[in-house]
Amino acid sequence: KQEVTQIPAALSVPEGENLVLNCSFTDSAIYNLQWFRQDPGKGLTSLLLIQSSQREQTSGRLNASLDKSSGRSTLYIAASQPGDSATYLCAVIPNAGGTSYGKLTFGQGTILTVHP
Amino acid sequence: NAGVTQTPKFRVLKTGQSMTLLCAQDMNHEYMYWYRQDPGMGLRLIHYSVGEGTTAKGEVPDGYNVSRLKKQNFLLGLESAAPSQTSVYFCASRRTGTAGELFFGEGSRLTVL
Repeated sequence: KQEVTQIPAALSVPEGENLVLNCSFTDSAIYNLQWFRQDPGKGLTSLLLIQSSQREQTSGRLNASLDKSSGRSTLYIAASQPGDSATYLCAVIPNAGGTSYGKLTFGQGTILTVHP
Repeated sequence: NAGVTQTPKFRVLKTGQSMTLLCAQDMNHEYMYWYRQDPGMGLRLIHYSVGEGTTAKGEVPDGYNVSRLKKQNFLLGLESAAPSQTSVYFCASRRTGTAGELFFGEGSRLTVL
């Protein structure tokens, strides 16, 4: 059974710092990996999706990498801002020979606080 | 663009009552999902659908039923609500293929007394 772990569980940094959030998964046979942001009381917003054939994706100050062989993904946030404060979740779709139907397995999330 | 819309956003039920949560998406997505999110448990899949007229069980299906009579709508029903079903429910949808991003609704907060 695929398991997804995110480290650290919580992170507090001063504004302007570059930071890395980690995501690991136990089964390297994945379809794709997606990073989400969740603000308190809100739904999940997709940040980046990395297909199984890709190594990284970038959007603005965000960069996500994927190393399937080691079962790891990192989300890099450059020049952090207080508005980046949120919970960040990673999720993988297992590659189950066409039967996974996009059923994501989620990590528990990293709670990020960026203070001025 | 509406994306994924859930109704209602909040609901309080008494034990034993029934209710239906509605999810509507306007992106012509094939796949739709219902998740519940609980503190310390993360997001868990309840039921999902791979197309109009099809449904399947996820990780925690007991106590819930679903229907997808139209491609754009996915309904989650609680026939006899229990306090253990107090949670935040999220609907999501995606298109097929490895590049299909999952899009979420804003959530429905359900309290069962």
